[in-house]
Amino acid sequence: EIVMTQSPVTLSVSPGERATLSCRASQRIGINLAWYQQRPGQSPRLLIHGASTRATGIPARFSGSGSGTEFTLTISSLQSEDFAVYYCHQYNDWPPYTFGQGTKLEIK
Amino acid sequence: QLQLQESGPGLLKPSETLSLTCAISDDSIRSTYYHWGWIRQTPGKGLEWIGSVSYSGGTSYNPSLTSRATMFVDTSKSQFSLKLTSVTAADTSVYYCARQHPYYYGSGSPYWYFDLWGRGTLVTVSS
Repeated sequence: EIVMTQSPVTLSVSPGERATLSCRASQRIGINLAWYQQRPGQSPRLLIHGASTRATGIPARFSGSGSGTEFTLTISSLQSEDFAVYYCHQYNDWPPYTFGQGTKLEIK
Repeated sequence: QLQLQESGPGLLKPSETLSLTCAISDDSIRSTYYHWGWIRQTPGKGLEWIGSVSYSGGTSYNPSLTSRATMFVDTSKSQFSLKLTSVTAADTSVYYCARQHPYYYGSGSPYWYFDLWGRGTLVTVSS
């Protein structure tokens, strides 16, 4: 099973600033990585797939990068609606598909 | 836009069987293009994939649950379902259904990511 490790667990950033979230895979997964945003009381929403491809309707301030075992999600200028929990997900090797434990992005 | 809606009992007793259904708002379940999955979420274990099913009924399950989980598709009702037997308190979770979208690198087999999720349903197992 591929273990996904996200860091930090909590990230405090001011609105308008940049946020950088990290995700590490325990084995190489190519670019078969997705990022999701989960707001309180809502289900996860796909932001990025293929490590760097934004999903339909996702603003350009969200960008993903990385390959192999190291991945990054960057939010260039934080808006109020961006404060949420973010998960990475590997779909390269299954079963099982696996997810990171999440990074909570909170207002500083 | 396509919507997924989970339904099922909110409360179960230990050893009972959990049955959940995911209703799909259009007839895309009849397409061979997508797969369909169940994922659950708990504060302690985070997001855990349970299993996936294809239009043709082919299934894949998390090895940690494979002996207890069964999934099937009902194209006539535009829905797919999950049964999880012998539940315990550890199965208390929010259960999500989701659509899986393929990505192809050339002519090889696709890779499947979850692109659309239902709103989730809380299932509590308690005596």
